[in-house]
Amino acid sequence: GAGVSQTPSNKVTEKGKYVELRCDPISGHTALYWYRQSLGQGPEFLIYFQGTGAADDSGLPNDRFFAVRPEGSVSTLKIQRTERGDSAVYLCASSSRRLARDTQYFGPGTRLTVL
Amino acid sequence: SQQGEEDPQALSIQEGENATMNCSYKTSINNLQWYRQNSGRGLVHLILIRSNEREKHSGRLRVTLDTSKKSSSLLITASRAADTASYFCATDFQGAQKLVFGQGTRLTINP
Repeated sequence: GAGVSQTPSNKVTEKGKYVELRCDPISGHTALYWYRQSLGQGPEFLIYFQGTGAADDSGLPNDRFFAVRPEGSVSTLKIQRTERGDSAVYLCASSSRRLARDTQYFGPGTRLTVL
Repeated sequence: SQQGEEDPQALSIQEGENATMNCSYKTSINNLQWYRQNSGRGLVHLILIRSNEREKHSGRLRVTLDTSKKSSSLLITASRAADTASYFCATDFQGAQKLVFGQGTRLTINP
């Protein structure tokens, strides 16, 4: 079946603008994760959803970052008043504890560049 | 902050040789996973090893886990040019669902 998809694949914006990044998880996966990866580093956790609710948002760096998953499927990561330091690849992953316990499947990522 | 540390940070070998990468972590874990990443984009899941397992195989991949030393190794046998990528270990420690990644090993296979 289809894997995790993310749109857009690339996003260039100006400092101070608002951006939305979208993630479509694998069908039937109840858990969804957002990570951020800076150049030369490993991914860093941002937020985790189980169903519609954010079960762990401890990785969100500040209140400019917010994520939603209103129907328990697609998720949107929202960044307000973007800063140059927000430039990174934003990765989404999903998992099903029933089908493949604990394995997280990643999407191709969205490369965000803040000018 | 990242829990894991991979060693070496970069590795360059000839095609056909074996490649070994190591990962160390700090806290007790449920599972340890290895991922591959090409060109800084999506991560491809390679193998998951649970905390009560010591060794696991998948094709040309062999993963070991030593929970007493809090370390794991990934062995790729008979390497191919297509194995050129960055390799990351990731742990999900007890009580949490999130993965904590190391900084990765950049593997280059020379033809």
